[in-house]
Amino acid sequence: GNSVTQMEGPVTLSEEAFLTINCTYTATGYPSLFWYVQYPGEGLQLLLKATKADDKGSNKGFEATYRKETTSFHLEKGSVQVSDSAVYFCALLNSNYQLIWGAGTKLIIKP
Amino acid sequence: GAGVSQSPSNKVTEKGKDVELRCDPISGHTALYWYRQSLGQGLEFLIYFQGNSAPDKSGLPSDRFSAERTGGSVSTLTIQRTQQEDSAVYLCASSLVPPGLAPYEQYFGPGTRLTVT
Repeated sequence: GNSVTQMEGPVTLSEEAFLTINCTYTATGYPSLFWYVQYPGEGLQLLLKATKADDKGSNKGFEATYRKETTSFHLEKGSVQVSDSAVYFCALLNSNYQLIWGAGTKLIIKP
Repeated sequence: GAGVSQSPSNKVTEKGKDVELRCDPISGHTALYWYRQSLGQGLEFLIYFQGNSAPDKSGLPSDRFSAERTGGSVSTLTIQRTQQEDSAVYLCASSLVPPGLAPYEQYFGPGTRLTVT
């Protein structure tokens, strides 16, 4: 069946560090892929998405590229800020139009 | 414009009682989704509505769970005879277009935190 695997957290970085949060998926076909972010005390927000292979989603300095060959959708940011501290979820949309979620990765940015 | 709203934001109930959770989607959004976020299980899909119909109820964990949507808008998730394992944050989301059409994005509400004592 379909599944999403994310790197376990928490991930702790200093401000201005480079961020990578790994996400790999198992799916039939080529599902749309998403990154959602949940800031402390807030609801889930769509961060970025990609709908086909080699697409790059980007938003707020974050990027992720849909890699069919490695079935991956890693999240990257060149220089993180304290305000990026949140929980990040990778997800895929399966053929039944359900979002299948990774476990979430808590990101902590220290000033 | 207004986002997805959910009520109540917090609900504490005794084991065995019934609870109703409400979701108001973004106006004009045709599709509505319920998810559950719990410590042990992460985020789980529960049910999806297209208009007032629920083509996919496969995620409902037991027959104690039911949901309806009226007027293509408000949805209610009902849990009967609540159990402690039902404790979780229940999230509602809506999307402008049905799944399979672009642009396809789900917008989430803040959730209802349910605690069963």
